[in-house]
Amino acid sequence: EPEVTQTPSHQVTQMGQEVILRCVPISNHLYFYWYRQILGQKVEFLVSFYNNEISEKSEIFDDQFSVERPDGSNFTLKIRSTKLEDSAMYFCARGRGATYEQYFGPGTRLTVT
Amino acid sequence: AQKVTQAQTEISVVEKEDVTLDCVYETRDTTYYLFWYKQPPSGELVFLIRRNSFDEQNEISGRYSWNFQKSTSSFNFTITASQVVDSAVYFCALRSGGYQKVTFGIGTKLQVIP
Repeated sequence: EPEVTQTPSHQVTQMGQEVILRCVPISNHLYFYWYRQILGQKVEFLVSFYNNEISEKSEIFDDQFSVERPDGSNFTLKIRSTKLEDSAMYFCARGRGATYEQYFGPGTRLTVT
Repeated sequence: AQKVTQAQTEISVVEKEDVTLDCVYETRDTTYYLFWYKQPPSGELVFLIRRNSFDEQNEISGRYSWNFQKSTSSFNFTITASQVVDSAVYFCALRSGGYQKVTFGIGTKLQVIP
């Protein structure tokens, strides 16, 4: 099945700056997710987004994070004021629903200096 | 709460050997879904299989096979006649009930030596 694309592939930013990571679905999907993977560690769920609303979020997804689908196409993750510990690979995923698997994009590597 | 344990952090095998990656899960829900994902050195996450809690039938796909046993809460993955291209980190994952969140294990790094 087609997956999603993510831009940029690598983003370097200074601590305290805002970053926006983008996810572009290949076709019209309804379920989107963001996960992160700190280098060498496990993949962690951040948030799920269904029908243009957050349907579920983890304790990691605090006030500095936000998601939206501004133009009905791109799905974005915004980190308002980045911290060093936000350095990670961020994966966007899409799915068909709670009973189905999720297909992941290639990821965006975020480096906060 | 849901939890996935992959006790093997790293495994090395010689090409053509069989290898089994262990996965033990915990959940209070009676309906849940188990997954395996592969993460090659290039970094992407590749979906391999999904198994529903009400379907304990084992599955074989080419050199890959999966053994799901509810009695021991395990969902093990076997690669037969391993190849160098199988070298990757393999993640077992769990989704419970009606939740969207998928919980991943720590991953098992498999190195296949030529």
